[in-house]
Amino acid sequence: DQQVKQNSPSLSVQEGRISILNCDYTNSMFDYFLWYKKYPAEGPTFLISISSIKDKNEDGRFTVFLNKSAKHLSLHIVPSQPGDSAVYFCAATGTGGSQGNLIFGKGTKLSVKP
Amino acid sequence: ETGVTQSPTHLIKTRGQQVTLRCSSQSGHNTVSWYQQALGQGPQFIFQYYREEENGRGNFPPRFSGLQFPNYSSELNVNALELDDSALYLCASSRPGGVGNIQYFGAGTRLSVL
Repeated sequence: DQQVKQNSPSLSVQEGRISILNCDYTNSMFDYFLWYKKYPAEGPTFLISISSIKDKNEDGRFTVFLNKSAKHLSLHIVPSQPGDSAVYFCAATGTGGSQGNLIFGKGTKLSVKP
Repeated sequence: ETGVTQSPTHLIKTRGQQVTLRCSSQSGHNTVSWYQQALGQGPQFIFQYYREEENGRGNFPPRFSGLQFPNYSSELNVNALELDDSALYLCASSRPGGVGNIQYFGAGTRLSVL
């Protein structure tokens, strides 16, 4: 039973446009959500996170939105660049502290075309 | 600052054998987590070590075991290897007091079981 779901295995966007990656979760006890980016032959790299008490967090071109009532979050990348092409994982954690496990979705492969 | 390093990068074993994977945590991090990533899936939590003690375990059988050393480096041991153990094994470290459970990943060890 997947607690974190990324229903789109892939997404293709044009350079300069907005990329929107979606993630749904089932466990209302999660208190932090994180996005990781993964290039081939590299480990996942932390991108941005959001606390469950917030609805938006922004860092440069990356913005994460959280809709707790819908148990849905999304990552917006504006403008998209070819170097953003990677697999993006949504993850959730429920400990509220610095320990505990991350629960990952299956990932969405983003392709940004020049 | 040195990031998370894992060794070896690739490994080929046969069914029934035992394997040891190694991880050096990022400087200043005292918590190490191990994840298994099967093809097309997100990372799945195996277990976590904090101050040399196991601090949480995912749904993996006892033949998956680990150690953490005083310098916070860690080992993952898998006994009686099965074909389904073929996967990318990721190590992640996190720092004490970090908010939001941000974990920093190594590049992983690719294990193939024949």
